[in-house]
Amino acid sequence: KQEVTQIPAALSVPEGENLVLNCSFTDSAIYNLQWFRQDPGKGLTSLLLIQSSQREQTSGRLNASLDKSSGRSTLYIAASQPGDSATYLCAVTQGGSEKLVFGKGTKLTVNP
Amino acid sequence: SAVISQKPSRDICQRGTSLTIQCQVDSQVTMMFWYRQQPGQSLTLIATANQGSEATYESGFVIDKFPISRPNLTFSTLTVSNMSPEDSSIYLCSVEDWTDNEQFFGPGTRLTVL
Repeated sequence: KQEVTQIPAALSVPEGENLVLNCSFTDSAIYNLQWFRQDPGKGLTSLLLIQSSQREQTSGRLNASLDKSSGRSTLYIAASQPGDSATYLCAVTQGGSEKLVFGKGTKLTVNP
Repeated sequence: SAVISQKPSRDICQRGTSLTIQCQVDSQVTMMFWYRQQPGQSLTLIATANQGSEATYESGFVIDKFPISRPNLTFSTLTVSNMSPEDSSIYLCSVEDWTDNEQFFGPGTRLTVL
């Protein structure tokens, strides 16, 4: 059974800092990995999708990497801003299934 | 990316009653998904809804409790039946982009059962 873990559970940083969020999964036979952002009481916003054959994806200040063999992904946020404050969720799918298995998320607070 | 809307955005219900949540997508999609997010927890898939066939439920979820309709390629409903306080959660629908399998989520329905 696939399990997804995100560390740390919460992170507080000053504005302008670069930061890394971590995601690990127990079964390396994934199809893809997706990073989401969730604002309090809201739905999920897709940030980045990495296919299993890819090593990284970039969008603006965000860069996500994937090391499938070791079961790890990182989300790098450059020059953090207060507007980046949210919960960041990592989720994976496995071959033959569209089901997303989610981690519990990292709650990020960026202080002005 | 698909634009997804849900109704209602939130509701407060009495135990023993039922609530139907609607999910509308701005484009035709083959598969729609319903997830539950209990307080302080991450998302768990309830079921997958294909147009023209019965929904497929995940372990721990049953059709009598969470009946789903999928009348066409842009719309689905999830009913939470005979509600108890344990059903208090955010319910989210999602769709998959068939070109790259990226999933997109609706804004969610926040349900409180008293």
